[in-house]
Parts: sequence; structure tokens; C-alpha cells
Amino acid sequence: QVHLQESGPGLVKPSETLSLTCTVSGTSFTNYYWSWIRQPPEKGLEWIGYIHYSGNTNYNPSLKSRVTISLDTSKNQFSLKMTSVTVADTAVYYCAREYSSSSGLDYWGQGTLVTVSS
Amino acid sequence: QSVLTQPPSASGTPGQRVTISCSGSSSNIGRNAVNWYQHLPGTAPKLLIYDNHQRPSGVPDRFSGSKSGTSASLAISGLQSEDEAVYYCEAWDGSLNGQVFGGGTKLTVL
Repeated sequence: QVHLQESGPGLVKPSETLSLTCTVSGTSFTNYYWSWIRQPPEKGLEWIGYIHYSGNTNYNPSLKSRVTISLDTSKNQFSLKMTSVTVADTAVYYCAREYSSSSGLDYWGQGTLVTVSS
Repeated sequence: QSVLTQPPSASGTPGQRVTISCSGSSSNIGRNAVNWYQHLPGTAPKLLIYDNHQRPSGVPDRFSGSKSGTSASLAISGLQSEDEAVYYCEAWDGSLNGQVFGGGTKLTVL
């Protein structure tokens, strides 16, 4: 059974770096894209970016300058780092798996709330 | 402002058929597959429809998807109370070189 679980600090100060990890079980990393998506309070879903198992990455243009996604298959994890956060980055952050853009994001983590506040 | 446009709300009574629209452009829906997700508060979004009209294993055939030109639709027939959720469309956008979501449609079962 495929399972994804986000982990990381629930509170980050403005201007600091947000770091989250997604631990994956029940699936190989091979052939998949591993994505991060977020949902600010009372708003819709926003794609942050993905990393392919090959190491190729792609980021939302509006976040690209602040975001890095990395992969550690030895630990069955992939991670998100977002620098210079502001209150606008407060959101529930989800990790998810996708085989291709036409196959959809088929498995998601439960999500983790990150609040940016001093 | 979402790249894909959905109505903010929809409603229906039990047993009814409801459709939710998703409007885009030639750079996203016009040339790429549309996926739909069901999102209940406090839970992970669930893939409902992929590749415009395909249903993942376990999704009831009450849910169906279609696409025409730069628009797509999700239809739910035989509406049930447990269908009350927020529904999102999503597609790859070749101009933005990234995935884009609709703003979400909150479905209320009256």
C-alpha cells in the first residue's frame, strides 16, 4: 500500500527557510514524479513543483527563485525547501506522486500545516 | 486568480445529476489531459478522474469526466450526501511549464 507522510516544523518565522520532508513507503521512486502542492487558508490548491526520479526538477514560476526540491532514495524521502518565507506562505503543504501529467496525482500525503509568524 | 476557471459553488439534491465546469485555454486544457480531484476538509485530495475521462480503481461510475476544446466537465450522477466536498480540475500548462489547478468548486448536497 502506497503511503506518503509529510513532516517538518509547524511554525516558521518570516524571512526564514521552510523545510519539509515527505517519507514514502509501498512504492518505488522509479518512473515517478514527486510533487509538492499547497493550500493557503480559505484558498485553492497551488502546485509548487516536482522532482523526477531521474533528478530533474520543475518549479512553479512564481516560486522558482525560493524553492528547491530534492530526493533521497536511500531514505525513501523527498524534501522541500522554501527560503525567505512570508505570511503569504502559510498553508497546508501536501506531497504527492504522479506518473505523468495525464495520469494525475494518484497518491497524496495527509498534509501538514505550516504557519509563518513571528 | 486561478489559471483554470471553475464556478465557486454548485448544489443538488440526493439522486440528482450535477455537472462542474472547468475552463482553460489552448496552453493547458486545449492540448493536455485534465484531471479531477475530490477534497474533503482535513483529508488528502483524492484523484477522481484522470486523462479527461478515466476513473482510477475504486471510484464509482457515478463520476464521469469529459473534455471539449478548452473546457472540461465533471459530472456526478445519483448524488449522495457523501459527495459533498470541494472539487478541483488540474492540467499541465505548456506556457507556464507547470501544473495548474482550478479555484475549486464547493458542492453542497441539499
